[in-house]
Amino acid sequence: QKEVEQNSGPLSVPEGAIASLNCTYSDRVSQSFFWYRQYSGKSPELIMSIYSNGDKEDGRFTAQLNKASQYVSLLIRDSQPSDSATYLCAVNQAGTALIFGKGTTLSVSS
Amino acid sequence: EADIYQTPRYLVIGTGKKITLECSQTMGHDKMYWYQQDPGMELHLIHYSYGVNSTEKGDLSSESTVSRIRTEHFPLTLESARPSHTSQYLCASSDLGGARTDTQYFGPGTRLTVL
Repeated sequence: QKEVEQNSGPLSVPEGAIASLNCTYSDRVSQSFFWYRQYSGKSPELIMSIYSNGDKEDGRFTAQLNKASQYVSLLIRDSQPSDSATYLCAVNQAGTALIFGKGTTLSVSS
Repeated sequence: EADIYQTPRYLVIGTGKKITLECSQTMGHDKMYWYQQDPGMELHLIHYSYGVNSTEKGDLSSESTVSRIRTEHFPLTLESARPSHTSQYLCASSDLGGARTDTQYFGPGTRLTVL
């Protein structure tokens, strides 16, 4: 059974701090890795995708991938209250459906 | 911005009724998916399709059925709605290309309440 594990949280950080969200996956041949953000009652929206080991930055967001450790993370710099949401990690191999984690709830206090 | 649409957005219906949730995308994506999600809970894949006339059941057993007659359209049908079907239903699509094109885009969802 292929699995994607996330700490459910809630992860609470003060405004302006760095939020660090972590995800591990069980299938070593996974090739594509995604982070989605989901506000309460809304559908998931894509934040980042990463395919190679290392870091990928997009604005305040940085995705980090370590395939040897089967670990992917998302850093949110200068966290804002509007970042408060559930963050979903998703993983797949080429041509297969994404496997989603259960999500980590982030709360940013002003 | 992904062009994937779901109708209706909200539906309240009585037990025993037949309902069809619509999902359409204008991106020409080959793959389409239906997920079920209860409030505050994880996504569950209930159906997916990799192209016209291709449909598969997902990880979560569902009493719903789907069809894929056209690339852009992937409706989900419940023959006889029950209160246990009350949930949010999310449609998604992605390209069938190589590993780096499997990004899924989600529609806005249909919130179904069965009385």
